[in-house]
Amino acid sequence: AQTVTQSQPEMSVQEAETVTLSCTYDTSESDYYLFWYKQPPSRQMILVIRQEAYKQQNATENRFSVNFQKAAKSFSLKISDSQLGDAAMYFCAYRSAGFFGNEKLTFGTGTRLTIIP
Amino acid sequence: SAVISQKPSRDICQRGTSLTIQCQVDSQVTMMFWYRQQPGQSLTLIATANQGSEATYESGFVIDKFPISRPNLTFSTLTVSNMSPEDSSIYLCSVLGIAYNEQFFGPGTRLTVL
Repeated sequence: AQTVTQSQPEMSVQEAETVTLSCTYDTSESDYYLFWYKQPPSRQMILVIRQEAYKQQNATENRFSVNFQKAAKSFSLKISDSQLGDAAMYFCAYRSAGFFGNEKLTFGTGTRLTIIP
Repeated sequence: SAVISQKPSRDICQRGTSLTIQCQVDSQVTMMFWYRQQPGQSLTLIATANQGSEATYESGFVIDKFPISRPNLTFSTLTVSNMSPEDSSIYLCSVLGIAYNEQFFGPGTRLTVL
């Protein structure tokens, strides 16, 4: 079974600074997807960024980028120019790439990010 | 991305009663899921809601406790039966996007059982 580990329960960053959230995972599969979700106090789960394991290029979405190290099974999220609206719980998630029955998301325990004005 | 709505958004229920949560999607989707998020915890998959057939439950979750219906490709319900305070959680509906490599979540239902 796959596992996802987020070793930082809480992180804080000054507004406009850069912060990196860590995520490691364990799998025997070669093809899979990795995701970062954001959950603000409103509890809505928002997809921040995704990475396909077969792609060597790291995904980027505006101020959000990932450092995907497949061999090390590491998938960190970098938030640049942090904004107050980035304050939330961030979850790393894993999903197999196979069809029919492998669509389950396995989540890490989350990292609570605080933005300091 | 799919727009997902859930009803109710929150509820406070008495022990021993049941609550049915509705999930409506604005477009037809192949896969729908129900997740539970216990207070201060991460998300755990309860089951995959299958259209026209019985739901597929994860280990630790049973149909008698969490019956699920999915009558069509845009709607599903989750019932939390014979509730106890341990069932107090946020219940989230999720769907697989057309691109297949994206999964979207509804706003969640916050359930408190007294």
